[in-house]
Amino acid sequence: EVQLVESGGDLVQPGRSLRLSCAASGFTFDDYTMHWVRQAPGKGLEWVSGLTWNSARVGYADSVKGRFTISRDNAKKSLYLQMNSLRSEDTALYYCARAPRYCSSSGCYAEGGFDYWGQGTLVTVSS
Amino acid sequence: QSALTQPASVAGSPGQSVTISCTITSSDVAGYKYVSWYQQHPGKTPKLIIYDVAKRPSGISNRFSGSKSGNTASLTISGLQAEDEADYYCTSYTVRSNLVLFGGGTKLTVL
Repeated sequence: EVQLVESGGDLVQPGRSLRLSCAASGFTFDDYTMHWVRQAPGKGLEWVSGLTWNSARVGYADSVKGRFTISRDNAKKSLYLQMNSLRSEDTALYYCARAPRYCSSSGCYAEGGFDYWGQGTLVTVSS
Repeated sequence: QSALTQPASVAGSPGQSVTISCTITSSDVAGYKYVSWYQQHPGKTPKLIIYDVAKRPSGISNRFSGSKSGNTASLTISGLQAEDEADYYCTSYTVRSNLVLFGGGTKLTVL
């Protein structure tokens, strides 16, 4: 059974940093592109960042570019999101999501959407 | 700046069909070939119901169908059921970039 379990969410002050983790199980982690998606309270879904299996392709939403860094450790079957210079607008439930191996000639990034999601970890940025 | 625009809400009666649109605004509309749709019930995680415009993952009812014409993708739900009441999100991605876009979401009410 595929499982994604996020952790690391917390209440932090503006300007501080936080590192989120996503532990994967039930599938061959290093075969898949992984993404972070967030949802502010009462709001819609917002894609945050994505990273291919070999870390060769990476993407960030404009709202987090330069402040957040996505990474992975395939040996530990884990995905990470380092969040620096946090702002109140970063307050959200952060989901880890898997992109299925549905690929184009350019590779496998998000062609098939996101087929498995974790339960999310809550980040609250407030003074 | 690219964006996906959805209606804020739609409604339908049980047994009817409803269609939710997702309009792609971009200088590279043709590049946004890969459209997915998600269903999210309150307090639950999103669920993939359509990928690559019109394909259904295993286990998804054939009452859900997707299509795309020009710069507008659509999700049609036929034979509406009470359990279909949820938020629906479209998403798209172009291979020319590593950016994924989400629409703002549409709240479906089953009357």
